Amino acid sequence: NAGVMQNPRHLVRRRGQEARLRCSPMKGHSHVYWYRQLPEEGLKFMVYLQKENIIDESGMPKERFSAEFPKEGPSILRIQQVVRGDSAAYFCASSRALEETQYFGPGTRLLVL
Amino acid sequence: DQQVKQNSPSLSVQEGRISILNCDYTNSMFDYFLWYKKYPAEGPTFLISISSIKDKNEDGRFTVFLNKSAKHLSLHIVPSQPGDSAVYFCAARTYGNKLVFGAGTILRVKS
Repeated sequence: NAGVMQNPRHLVRRRGQEARLRCSPMKGHSHVYWYRQLPEEGLKFMVYLQKENIIDESGMPKERFSAEFPKEGPSILRIQQVVRGDSAAYFCASSRALEETQYFGPGTRLLVL
Repeated sequence: DQQVKQNSPSLSVQEGRISILNCDYTNSMFDYFLWYKKYPAEGPTFLISISSIKDKNEDGRFTVFLNKSAKHLSLHIVPSQPGDSAVYFCAARTYGNKLVFGAGTILRVKS
């Protein structure tokens, strides 16, 4: 019974490069959420997606960040032209339905040099 | 605007004793509260939750209490074990199943 899978677990990028973070939800879960954790802080909501739809992207920066959850394959969080301030842990969570418990993946630690 | 606050950055407890972690919130529209436990380099693990219509929920060694009038909740762990040492996050659910997290409390259980 696999949990939420995220890859890569660690990602190093230079300023100006692109970062792609992948998330496969738990089996049977069709709701995916992305959160970001900066050092010494709690997790901050970024975006909520269902298959092929962005439901709520109110926590995502308007520029350089995008997310998708295609009909087939994992959810992708894409950060273009990364800057040092993007260095953080990015966590994906999934739930079976709206208003059900969210279960988190192990996270992707992004370091921008 | 910090809607969920965990005012104690850390807590140290002797093995076998009770650990009490506290959380305050400001938004009365939160309808559900959750506690997650997190080890370094791992994702948060769901522990226990409580609906805003209840004042207590218990699961084994873990009990969550909710005081709506004070906008306060607490997690009790008894008896505490060394394996409980981790960061504990309080989270509140708002519209659209969006979670708002506190900054976390580091719990150290000494053997």
